[in-house]
Amino acid sequence: SQTIHQWPATLVQPVGSPLSLECTVEGTSNPNLYWYRQAAGRGLQLLFYSVGIGQISSEVPQNLSASRPQDRQFILSSKKLLLSDSGFYLCAWRGKGNTEAFFGQGTRLTVV
Amino acid sequence: TQLLEQSPQFLSIQEGENLTVYCNSSSVFSSLQWYRQEPGEGPVLLVTVVTGGEVKKLKRLTFQFGDARKDSSLHITAAQPGDTGLYLCASPNYGGSQGNLIFGKGTKLSVKP
Repeated sequence: SQTIHQWPATLVQPVGSPLSLECTVEGTSNPNLYWYRQAAGRGLQLLFYSVGIGQISSEVPQNLSASRPQDRQFILSSKKLLLSDSGFYLCAWRGKGNTEAFFGQGTRLTVV
Repeated sequence: TQLLEQSPQFLSIQEGENLTVYCNSSSVFSSLQWYRQEPGEGPVLLVTVVTGGEVKKLKRLTFQFGDARKDSSLHITAAQPGDTGLYLCASPNYGGSQGNLIFGKGTKLSVKP
């Protein structure tokens, strides 16, 4: 069966520090991978998605970047965090077509 | 600009009441998905609708896809406290993109016993 791992679950970082959130998927190959940010109790804002290794589509201009160094690994990074980067970050994967998306447990990032 | 508009944003009702939430777009959906999310967790898929006019039922939940595939509704009959959560609609491959998955802002439902 397929599983998705996202870590860490909680992170407190000072302003100006770097960020690296990692997401890995097991049990499937060539998935579409996604990074979302969610404000408290509200919808998911698509940050980046990837349809294959090295292919990254950015949806929102921001202080963040994403990379897909391996088929089932998706990394969200920042060189210098801003206060406004605080939020709940979710990684997800789905197969090609109109298939269901499966989400990780999320990372609660607080920038102080 | 919000690509997928959901309404209402918030809904608080008593147990046993019926409710309907909506998802609309100015663009045609290739398909439309509904998810439910509980606090601190990722969303979980409820249903996918693909054909204009399609109606799908999941116990007390009825999902309808508009004939023109630009809107969808979720109707809950006799709501229960366990239905409480954030209901999100999502469109795969929105706007002809191959691979994206766009979500609306959601309807936050609270069902009081």
